[in-house]
Amino acid sequence: GQQVMQIPQYQHVQEGEDFTTYCNSSTTLSNIQWYKQRPGGHPVFLIQLVKSGEVKKQKRLTFQFGEAKKNSSLHITATQTTDVGTYFCALGGSQGNLIFGKGTKLSVKP
Amino acid sequence: DAGVIQSPRHEVTEMGQEVTLRCKPISGHDYLFWYRQTMMRGLELLIYFNNNVPIDDSGMPEDRFSAKMPNASFSTLKIQPSEPRDSAVYFCASSPGGQPGSFFFGPGTRLTVL
Repeated sequence: GQQVMQIPQYQHVQEGEDFTTYCNSSTTLSNIQWYKQRPGGHPVFLIQLVKSGEVKKQKRLTFQFGEAKKNSSLHITATQTTDVGTYFCALGGSQGNLIFGKGTKLSVKP
Repeated sequence: DAGVIQSPRHEVTEMGQEVTLRCKPISGHDYLFWYRQTMMRGLELLIYFNNNVPIDDSGMPEDRFSAKMPNASFSTLKIQPSEPRDSAVYFCASSPGGQPGSFFFGPGTRLTVL
């Protein structure tokens, strides 16, 4: 079945540094979603990308969908301690389900 | 809207006991999903329903696991008998659909089987 590779698995940054996580698929994706899970919390929807080459911004977060629709990235500019958590990408399945990547766990040192 | 509601939030039980987890999806959402999260395996899809009908239960680990959705506002996930390796956080999520729509997760049930 469909799978997505997400890297890195862990990222430790100093507050103020930038952070990027990547999702890669061997097949063309119809869409991709991003979620954030705070420690002890539940995944929360951030955004969905659908179009080839799409770029969307949410304040300090920038989401990109590759031209070939096989990869996506989430970039955070000038991280803050509130950015701590695990960031997941998720692929839309053929029947309304979602397949989640393993996630990137971000820690931010103040 | 109260969002997706799950109960209990925490469950500690002994091996061999029956465990029932409950979920109330967001009103109007056609899809309901049960996920399990562990450090080793991440977020695993166990089963999901569309309009109360199970669509895919291939993620259910074994016959000890069963799920029902008797109506649009309630679903249960049952483990009988429970085993220590079932210890995990179980999330329920609902979605309005739409190839796919955004998912809304409940707060999860943290299950510990001793």
